[in-house]
Amino acid sequence: SQTIHQWPATLVQPVGSPLSLECTVEGTSNPNLYWYRQAAGRGLQLLFYSVGIGQISSEVPQNLSASRPQDRQFILSSKKLLLSDSGFYLCAWRAGSYNEQFFGPGTRLTVL
Amino acid sequence: AQTVTQSQPEMSVQEAETVTLSCTYDTSESDYYLFWYKQPPSRQMILVIRQEAYKQQNATENRFSVNFQKAAKSFSLKISDSQLGDAAMYFCAYVEGGSEKLVFGKGTKLTVNP
Repeated sequence: SQTIHQWPATLVQPVGSPLSLECTVEGTSNPNLYWYRQAAGRGLQLLFYSVGIGQISSEVPQNLSASRPQDRQFILSSKKLLLSDSGFYLCAWRAGSYNEQFFGPGTRLTVL
Repeated sequence: AQTVTQSQPEMSVQEAETVTLSCTYDTSESDYYLFWYKQPPSRQMILVIRQEAYKQQNATENRFSVNFQKAAKSFSLKISDSQLGDAAMYFCAYVEGGSEKLVFGKGTKLTVNP
């Protein structure tokens, strides 16, 4: 069966520091991968998606970037965090032939 | 742009009773899919049920069922025999066929009273 992992689970970072969040998927190949952010009390906002290694599409221009160095690995990064980057970050995947997305456990990021 | 609206920020239900959560969406597309996701306090998003727009039959998963009214662009979720573990945020979501962009509503917080 497929499993999706995210780490770290919780992160507290100062403003201006770099960020690296990692997401990996097991039990499938060639998944489509997604990064979402959920601000407090709000729905999910799609940040990036990837349909293959090295292929990144950005939905919202901002302080973040994403990379996909391996088939089942998706990384969310920032060179300098802003206060507004605080939130709950969710990674998701879907098999190419299906439309539903499956989510990881998420990372709670607090920027102070 | 497609939008998803959940008009009930909060709902409550007594244990063992039935509750219906509302969702409407706006689209001009004919090929699309609708979902309900559950987000418990752990905050992991869990897929509850899916509905293909081309299917007239309403989807059902155990105690969860939907009322899909395509002409009205309505997609409500019915939870029967509510359990304490059903307490969570519920999000309605839409994706156009072939699109990567899953559009979410703002969610409905469901409380289950013992």
